[in-house]
Amino acid sequence: TQLLEQSPQFLSIQEGENLTVYCNSSSVFSSLQWYRQEPGEGPVLLVTVVTGGEVKKLKRLTFQFGDARKDSSLHITAAQPGDTGLYLCAGVGPNFGNEKLTFGTGTRLTIIP
Amino acid sequence: NAGVTQTPKFQVLKTGQSMTLQCAQDMNHNSMYWYRQDPGMGLRLIYYSASEGTTDKGEVPNGYNVSRLNKREFSLRLESAAPSQTSVYFCASSEFSGEGEKLFFGSGTQLSVL
Repeated sequence: TQLLEQSPQFLSIQEGENLTVYCNSSSVFSSLQWYRQEPGEGPVLLVTVVTGGEVKKLKRLTFQFGDARKDSSLHITAAQPGDTGLYLCAGVGPNFGNEKLTFGTGTRLTIIP
Repeated sequence: NAGVTQTPKFQVLKTGQSMTLQCAQDMNHNSMYWYRQDPGMGLRLIYYSASEGTTDKGEVPNGYNVSRLNKREFSLRLESAAPSQTSVYFCASSEFSGEGEKLFFGSGTQLSVL
């Protein structure tokens, strides 16, 4: 089983601040996804990164895949209350099409107005 | 846009009781999944179905059975519920793109086993 550890587990910051959350593993992944989950709902896919070193931007969210494809980060600029939620990373093993997603433990983010 | 629909939303069972969680998707996806979500443990795969007529075990299949009734519906059954099965259960379906598999989740079933 490939383990994905996310840090921090909990993060509470003021509106307007910047933040970074991390997703780390000792295993190599062929791709990595980030999901956001709001209370009472299922996770919703935000982005998929595939290439080592890849950076993707989604408005104020910046996602980076590590060069060695073992880790990823999510940076939020000028956080808004609407960013509040559980952020989950999920990776697919190096055999890509034959492997299922492994989910991380999540970072619960609270943005204080 | 219904997407993935799960029922019921909440359920309380006594130890030993049985129940079936229902899931349906209207996106014509081949693959469907059942996950459980527990605090501090992320989402863990229980069973999945790559296509109509096939099912496979995931990471934590013990105590569960599944049925892929048709392409739209994938149900999860607890034959004899145990307190360790208290969790939030999510059904998902998926589609493949150039970037890999994209999962679409239902809104979950919160199950408590007393």
